[in-house]
Amino acid sequence: GQNIDQPTEMTATEGAIVQINCTYQTSGFNGLFWYQQHAGEAPTFLSYNVLDGLEEKGRFSSFLSRSKGYSYLLLKELQMKDSASYLCAVRLLRGGGATNKLIFGTGTLLAVQP
Amino acid sequence: DTEVTQTPKHLVMGMTNKKSLKCEQHMGHRAMYWYKQKAKKPPELMFVYSYEKLSINESVPSRFSPECPNSSLLNLHLHALQPEDSALYLCASSPRAGGHDNEQFFGPGTRLTVL
Repeated sequence: GQNIDQPTEMTATEGAIVQINCTYQTSGFNGLFWYQQHAGEAPTFLSYNVLDGLEEKGRFSSFLSRSKGYSYLLLKELQMKDSASYLCAVRLLRGGGATNKLIFGTGTLLAVQP
Repeated sequence: DTEVTQTPKHLVMGMTNKKSLKCEQHMGHRAMYWYKQKAKKPPELMFVYSYEKLSINESVPSRFSPECPNSSLLNLHLHALQPEDSALYLCASSPRAGGHDNEQFFGPGTRLTVL
């Protein structure tokens, strides 16, 4: 089966840095996505990694190590509005590579405190 | 236009009702998706359409019937649902169904309650 694990909850302070980890064991890996989801709203895309290394996008960075089945999302200069769920999603190939499928992790609920 | 729209926003239906959820995008995307999300759980894939053809059905019960009338529209027809089907139903689209750099854009979802 497919397995994607994240911590359930994290708490951090406004202005600080937080790292959210994601470990995965899947078949047919074809990239890893991070999404942010505020309560009752749709997930919004944050970052994407398909090769090993760090991708930086403003206050958000994401790292991938395919050999270790590991990724993390780094959020810098935390703001109150960053309080949300953060979803790690692995993309798998189906149907001989014709169709991608996203498998989401359990999600990490981040609470940013003043 | 860089958004996915879904209607209705909220839907309450009885177990004998027939209703439909609608999803629309005008980004020229050729892949569209239905996900189901229960409270405090991640989204779970239900269906994938690629070039208006059903590409993936994740063993979804037949009381859920998807339809893709054209490349911009995706419907989910509901019939004889159970209370446990109550959830947030998310639609998403991406430029293509396969390949790389295929970020999925999500709609705001339809909050469905089955009584």
